[in-house]
Amino acid sequence: ELKVEQNPLFLSMQEGKNYTIYCNYSTTSDRLYWYRQDPGKSLESLFVLLSNGAVKQEGRLMASLDTKARLSTLHITAAVHDLSATYFCAVDSEGSQGNLIFGKGTKLSVKP
Amino acid sequence: DAGVTQSPTHLIKTRGQQVTLRCSPKSGHDTVSWYQQALGQGPQFIFQYYEEEERQRGNFPDRFSGHQFPNYSSELNVNALLLGDSALYLCASGEDYNEQFFGPGTRLTVL
Repeated sequence: ELKVEQNPLFLSMQEGKNYTIYCNYSTTSDRLYWYRQDPGKSLESLFVLLSNGAVKQEGRLMASLDTKARLSTLHITAAVHDLSATYFCAVDSEGSQGNLIFGKGTKLSVKP
Repeated sequence: DAGVTQSPTHLIKTRGQQVTLRCSPKSGHDTVSWYQQALGQGPQFIFQYYEEEERQRGNFPDRFSGHQFPNYSSELNVNALLLGDSALYLCASGEDYNEQFFGPGTRLTVL
């Protein structure tokens, strides 16, 4: 059974600081996704990572994938208040593309 | 392009009732998946429809059923509602096994 674990689950940061969210998954997967969710809202796609060593950056967020370690990271650089949200990683279940397995999410709060 | 749309936005039902949620996929998409997101949790896969057939199903009871129409739109039906069915229901569409795009969700409250 494919499991996805994120840590930390809660993260309180000061503006201007850097931090990393970790996503571990238990079996091989074809694709790894990062999503952002604001309170009461739907999921906003941030990154899709397809292969080992993939790195993608958008603004202050950078995601990477190590398929051998079954680990993805979401790095936040010089955090700003607008990044406050819950971040989810998700992977395609093994042999069943399109069935996404989500982590529990990391609730990020960026304080002045 | 309107993207993925869902209706209604919010819904309040009582225990034992039945509910139908609707989803229109993004233009060009033929696959629709449904997810349930309880408060404070990550979304959980309910099922996926492709070519009007249920292609995959998650660990949800038979009270959860669905349908896909020839225009690729989809419905999620939940019978005999329980308090624990209160959640945000998300619909996602995609082209076959490619990346899925999520709709705005339907917030269901069961009293």
